[in-house]
Amino acid sequence: DVKVTQSSRYLVKRTGEKVFLECVQDMDHENMFWYRQDPGLGLRLIYFSYDVKMKEKGDIPEGYSVSREKKERFSLILESASTNQTSMYLCASSVRELTRSSYNSPLHFGNGTRLTVT
Amino acid sequence: AQSVTQLDSHVSVSEGTPVLLRCNYSSSYSPSLFWYVQHPNKGLQLLLKYTSAATLVKGINGFEAEFKKSETSFHLTKPSAHMSDAAEYFCVVRRGNTGFQKLVFGTGTRLLVSP
Repeated sequence: DVKVTQSSRYLVKRTGEKVFLECVQDMDHENMFWYRQDPGLGLRLIYFSYDVKMKEKGDIPEGYSVSREKKERFSLILESASTNQTSMYLCASSVRELTRSSYNSPLHFGNGTRLTVT
Repeated sequence: AQSVTQLDSHVSVSEGTPVLLRCNYSSSYSPSLFWYVQHPNKGLQLLLKYTSAATLVKGINGFEAEFKKSETSFHLTKPSAHMSDAAEYFCVVRRGNTGFQKLVFGTGTRLLVSP
């Protein structure tokens, strides 16, 4: 089974702090994603990466950056945390779509990190 | 642009009764559609997907969904609810059928199952 592990389940930070959210997957997936989940808004894509050192902006990248130095690890960085970044953050991974059989392959999600910024 | 609308934020059923979670989609071409489920304190898990093959799609745990182009709907159903089905369900559409796999999530429907 694919396992996507997020390093913290709960995190409380102060406004202005630099925050690192870590995600590790153990299935050698090429694609990795960061989403934030808010009630009534569903999941929104922050950033994704399709290879080591590669990254693309999602729908709401403002205030965030990412790092992917190793294939299995994808980090989300809040440069200067603000209260409106209080949310649940979900990491996911999937295989690269190289063949017909891998097209629309599922995303595998971690259990999430609930971040509170005070 | 592709989007999905989940018509109910909450659905309550009794154990053993049918489940219907409604989803309408908007797409300028034949979409790829998915249902994901999120149990409490867990990540999301794929239930089923439609990718222009059979319009009736069967998923895990007895769930199925029917793609209806004329109604632009992709409703999720299950004949008989179980207590373990209590969770949040997300209808999802793929943004663009080529290129990178970007998904657009609905706002979610919380399913409550009472004994």
